[in-house]
Amino acid sequence: ETGVTQSPTHLIKTRGQQVTLRCSSQSGHNTVSWYQQALGQGPQFIFQYYREEENGRGNFPPRFSGLQFPNYSSELNVNALELDDSALYLCASRRWGGSHNEQFFGPGTRLTVL
Amino acid sequence: KQEVTQIPAALSVPEGENLVLNCSFTDSAIYNLQWFRQDPGKGLTSLLLIQSSQREQTSGRLNASLDKSSGRSTLYIAASQPGDSATYLCAVEGMDSGGGADGLTFGKGTHLIIQP
Repeated sequence: ETGVTQSPTHLIKTRGQQVTLRCSSQSGHNTVSWYQQALGQGPQFIFQYYREEENGRGNFPPRFSGLQFPNYSSELNVNALELDDSALYLCASRRWGGSHNEQFFGPGTRLTVL
Repeated sequence: KQEVTQIPAALSVPEGENLVLNCSFTDSAIYNLQWFRQDPGKGLTSLLLIQSSQREQTSGRLNASLDKSSGRSTLYIAASQPGDSATYLCAVEGMDSGGGADGLTFGKGTHLIIQP
């Protein structure tokens, strides 16, 4: 167990809707990242938050947004859902303090867009 | 743009064999390389992390090496067991020239089956 939890486990939405996915990091982990993993592919980096500020972003449009809270929880919000957004969404956390150390992943949320 | 390639894409071997999984990356400006295991429909379990200044890491039956100059890493699994069956993913953390975070760049993984 990594101590990183995600909710919900599964989610079904229709095209055009909005969705919020949640992640709870390990205590003391000040950095959280979100990834999208399509079937048969490796995870793709969406963005990273450090001390509640976004400090890195992958090749994803602005309709993908996030929040990080002081209590080690975070959210991924996706607006105007498209069919291609169907994927496993993973969050990862770590304590980042000058060294780029190990990241710990949660079990993921499986999003299906119909 | 960093690209990570894993070879082979799939591998099936009898129990007890030693095996090697390969990972290559195109940009040697990395902070670290991490190997993960993923069971079907599940999240990622971290196996080994190698910092850019290190050459190898070991954990139990697993040994990972890193040759940053040639852009290669290998994961060696000794005395394989059916419980090792999973997809193994290699990921590198790149250096963002703007000072921000680049995230992990993953390969597509090697799907490993250990036959009892």
